[in-house]
Amino acid sequence: DVKVTQSSRYLVKRTGEKVFLECVQDMDHENMFWYRQDPGLGLRLIYFSYDVKMKEKGDIPEGYSVSREKKERFSLILESASTNQTSMYLCASTAGAGATGELFFGEGSRLTVL
Amino acid sequence: GEDVEQSLFLSVREGDSSVINCTYTDSSSTYLYWYKQEPGAGLQLLTYIFSNMDMKQDQRLTVLLNKKDKHLSLRIADTQTGDSAIYFCAESPTDKLIFGTGTRLQVFP
Repeated sequence: DVKVTQSSRYLVKRTGEKVFLECVQDMDHENMFWYRQDPGLGLRLIYFSYDVKMKEKGDIPEGYSVSREKKERFSLILESASTNQTSMYLCASTAGAGATGELFFGEGSRLTVL
Repeated sequence: GEDVEQSLFLSVREGDSSVINCTYTDSSSTYLYWYKQEPGAGLQLLTYIFSNMDMKQDQRLTVLLNKKDKHLSLRIADTQTGDSAIYFCAESPTDKLIFGTGTRLQVFP
């Protein structure tokens, strides 16, 4: 059974703290993505990676960075958390722009910044 | 620019049909997708349609594509309480998916 695992389902952090959100996939997928989901705004792409040590900015990269040291792991980093980064964060992976383009999602990490 | 729009809410009675609508802007997408997000979970691919098709049927699901109007719809026949979820349409003009805002479907007895 294919799986994308996000290490933390719920986090509460204080303004200014550094936050790491971890995502691991067991499908040997090349491509990994980080989205944030907010009511009425849908999913917005933060960063993505098509290969190890490679990263590309998505639509809303400000305030975030990422790390892809190993193929199976893609980390999202908030260097200095702010209250407007309170959101649901979703990690996804896919084998590529293949026939179906199916993204496999983790269950999400709900972050609250106080 | 790329934009995918959906209405935010839909409420239907159990046993009725549900129709969720989506409009998109980029006509170069090879595939268009419907994803489902159940409460407390990530998104899962529900179905997809190739851009040269008008319709695709998969059990209780019917996808209709009107390329001229850039309109995509998902019809769920005999809607059940287990269909309550958020439904996202998505287009793929590049190798990234562009998601809509999501439609929250509520099914009441």
